[in-house]
Amino acid sequence: DQQVKQNSPSLSVQEGRISILNCDYTNSMFDYFLWYKKYPAEGPTFLISISSIKDKNEDGRFTVFLNKSAKHLSLHIVPSQPGDSAVYFCAASGGGSQGNLIFGKGTKLSVKP
Amino acid sequence: KAGVTQTPRYLIKTRGQQVTLSCSPISGHRSVSWYQQTPGQGLQFLFEYFSETQRNKGNFPGRFSGRQFSNSRSEMNVSTLELGDSALYLCASSLSGTGGSGELFFGEGSRLTVL
Repeated sequence: DQQVKQNSPSLSVQEGRISILNCDYTNSMFDYFLWYKKYPAEGPTFLISISSIKDKNEDGRFTVFLNKSAKHLSLHIVPSQPGDSAVYFCAASGGGSQGNLIFGKGTKLSVKP
Repeated sequence: KAGVTQTPRYLIKTRGQQVTLSCSPISGHRSVSWYQQTPGQGLQFLFEYFSETQRNKGNFPGRFSGRQFSNSRSEMNVSTLELGDSALYLCASSLSGTGGSGELFFGEGSRLTVL
């Protein structure tokens, strides 16, 4: 049973436009959420996080929104750049995850010039 | 400061063999986690070690094992390899683990191919 779901395996966006990556979770006890970015042949790198006590966290071009009632979070990238093309993983921790991060399957973002 | 180092980067094994992968965490980090990445399943948690003790374990068979040394370096071992074990194995380190707000720092991974 997948506790963190990224239902869009891929997303294509034009350079300069907004990219919105979505993530849903089933465990209401998760209390911390993170986004990681992964380029081919590299390990994932931390991008941005949000605690369950907040509904928004912003860092430069990246903003994460959390809707606890819907068990949904999203990552907004504005404006999108070709260098943002990568696989983005949503992850959650807390609530019986035994201290480890539970990852989604990832969304491959392609930003076209 | 040096990042997480994993060796070997690539390896090919045949069914039934065993493999050992190594991970050197960031200096000062005491927690090491291992993840398996496959195209269809994303990143799946294998286990976490903290101060030489396995603190958490994912839902993998007993063929997957690991250990951590006093210098925080970690190894994972897969015995009796199966074709389905072909994957990218990622090691991640953190200061204290991910319970709560811990951020993980990943290595580049070890790409295992089982023939």
